[in-house]
Amino acid sequence: KQEVTQIPAALSVPEGENLVLNCSFTDSAIYNLQWFRQDPGKGLTSLLLIQSSQREQTSGRLNASLDKSSGRSTLYIAASQPGDSATYLCAVRANFNKFYFGSGTKLNVKP
Amino acid sequence: DTGVSQDPRHKITKRGQNVTFRCDPISEHNRLYWYRQTLGQGPEFLTYFQNEAQLEKSRLLSDRFSAERPKGSFSTLEIQRTEQGDSAMYLCASSLADTGRGKNIQYFGAGTRLSVL
Repeated sequence: KQEVTQIPAALSVPEGENLVLNCSFTDSAIYNLQWFRQDPGKGLTSLLLIQSSQREQTSGRLNASLDKSSGRSTLYIAASQPGDSATYLCAVRANFNKFYFGSGTKLNVKP
Repeated sequence: DTGVSQDPRHKITKRGQNVTFRCDPISEHNRLYWYRQTLGQGPEFLTYFQNEAQLEKSRLLSDRFSAERPKGSFSTLEIQRTEQGDSAMYLCASSLADTGRGKNIQYFGAGTRLSVL
């Protein structure tokens, strides 16, 4: 069974810092990997999706990388802002229709 | 279309009661997923529909759980004889079917938070 782990579980940084969130998965046979943001008590918002054949994707201040062979992905957030405070989840699509999520990294960006 | 809608947002019930949740996906999306999320954890897959057909169910979906998508549009998730362990956020997501290893980006609703007393 695919297992997805996210480190760290929580992170607190001052505004303006660049930061890296980590995601690892046990089975490298994935179709894609998706990063989500979840605000307290809310649903998930898709941030970036990386296909298994891709190495990275960028959107604004966010950059996600994928190393499928080692079972790792990182989400890089540049120049963090208080509005970035949320829980960040990664999910792998491990077969045609099944998705496995990590437990998330709870990010707090202090003004 | 404003996205995936879930109703109700919150449900408080007593142990042993039945509850039903509704999900309205993005209108052109033919795939619909249900997940359960407990505090501090990521969502766990429950079941998935393509159009009206329920194609996959997780072992988490006990006999007390049933999901339907009768016309391939909205879906309902029913929990019978609720237990305190059923307390969680129930999330619905929808996507477009792809061909082969396509994008299949999932769009999530805000969820229904269930509290079983």
